[in-house]
Amino acid sequence: DAGVIQSPRHEVTEMGQEVTLRCKPISGHDYLFWYRQTMMRGLELLIYFNNNVPIDDSGMPEDRFSAKMPNASFSTLKIQPSEPRDSAVYFCASSFGSRGETQYFGPGTRLLVL
Amino acid sequence: SQKIEQNSEALNIQEGKTATLTCNYTNYSPAYLQWYRQDPGRGPVFLLLIRENEKEKRKERLKVTFDTTLKQSLFHITASQPADSATYLCALQTSGGYQKVTFGTGTKLQVIP
Repeated sequence: DAGVIQSPRHEVTEMGQEVTLRCKPISGHDYLFWYRQTMMRGLELLIYFNNNVPIDDSGMPEDRFSAKMPNASFSTLKIQPSEPRDSAVYFCASSFGSRGETQYFGPGTRLLVL
Repeated sequence: SQKIEQNSEALNIQEGKTATLTCNYTNYSPAYLQWYRQDPGRGPVFLLLIRENEKEKRKERLKVTFDTTLKQSLFHITASQPADSATYLCALQTSGGYQKVTFGTGTKLQVIP
C-alpha cells in the first residue's frame, strides 16, 4: 500500500481565499483523522471519522473550518476564508479497528496564509 | 484540565549512551499510551504501544515503561545512534468506544557522534 496520501504538499495562499486539503487513507482503514501541527500548540486533533461518519469535531477551531468524507477513500478539509493564523502543517492519519490501534500519518500539507 | 507534558527542551546525548525521554500526564486515565517518532518535514511514525495494565514493553533497542500511579511514561533508547535523532511524541488514549488520541508536544533528541 502507498500509505496515507495527502495533497497538496505545500500551499501558499492569501488571506481570505478558500483552501482545500485532500487525503486518501490506507485502504481498509475505518478511522480517519485530521490534525494540525504548530510549534506553539503541537499536534492537535481537529476532527475524526469512523466509517465516513464524523465522530468528534470538537477540535475544529471555528466555523471557517469544515471537513467531509464522502467515501471510504477520500476526505477533504476546507478553510474558508483562510487567515494567517491558520498557517500550520495539516496531517491526515488513518487506522483500523478498535482501541489502541496504530495511526498511520500522511506526509502533511504545509499551509502558509499570507 | 487535562495535560500531557514532555520536556520541551532538546535532549543532547552522546552516541552509544541510553537516551531517556519523559511523558507526564494529569487528569487522564489512559487505557493506552503510544510513542511516535517524527522526522523534520514528515508525519509521525508509530513506535510502541503500552497498555495500562503493562509495566514495560520492549522492541529492539527501545523500551517503554508506564507507571499509572506516577502518571508517567519513560521512553528509553539504548546504544543510541545519530540516526535516532528526531522528535519523539507520546500519545494517550483513554478507554471508550472510539480512537481519539491526544499527543504531547514532543521532545527533540539529538544524538552526537
